[in-house]
Amino acid sequence: KNQVEQSPQSLIILEGKNCTLQCNYTVSPFSNLRWYKQDTGRGPVSLTIMTFSENTKSNGRYTATLDADTKQSSLHITASQLSDSASYICVVSIILTGGGNKLTFGTGTQLKVEL
Amino acid sequence: DGGITQSPKYLFRKEGQNVTLSCEQNLNHDAMYWYRQDPGQGLRLIYYSQIVNDFQKGDIAEGYSVSREKKESFPLTVTSAQKNPTAFYLCASSRQVSTEAFFGQGTRLTVV
Repeated sequence: KNQVEQSPQSLIILEGKNCTLQCNYTVSPFSNLRWYKQDTGRGPVSLTIMTFSENTKSNGRYTATLDADTKQSSLHITASQLSDSASYICVVSIILTGGGNKLTFGTGTQLKVEL
Repeated sequence: DGGITQSPKYLFRKEGQNVTLSCEQNLNHDAMYWYRQDPGQGLRLIYYSQIVNDFQKGDIAEGYSVSREKKESFPLTVTSAQKNPTAFYLCASSRQVSTEAFFGQGTRLTVV
């Protein structure tokens, strides 16, 4: 079972609408949580990175929230555009015994924005 | 301009052959990583390096090898021992292991 679960697996919305993507994780001890956007055939691009003490962080039309108690995060996209069509990946960084961090990736939510 | 460059973008290999994927960064980052991405799965860590001349195995290192002779370069060799090498390979770097990672544009390897 993947330790970082994302939902929905895929989503289709109309241009201009808002949407929210979910991420639940079970990994610990938690260091930080990241959201990436990945266009088809390209490398992921960072949207936000949040530490344990941060509840929300915005990057333009993207707003991420984090509830470290329930181990849940969401990514809200406002006023969607066609260029938002991509895979959105939730990544949790955990602290390794002896130091260092390890990234655990979700499988992503595939978003398609249509006219 | 700064960034991470992977080459080639597409690569075809015959079964039984070794092939090397290039990854270069000019961000002055200490840490570099190689990931493999398969359909329906999250990225999986192959190898990572936190400093020159040192690297560590990730979750799926079997059939792969790396070197880190220079800070800027972290090439990945896919050997003939890798049973299912066809995949999308992503290289990344970060200032430290705990900080934001920047990804290259990926190399799609196909075994023919």
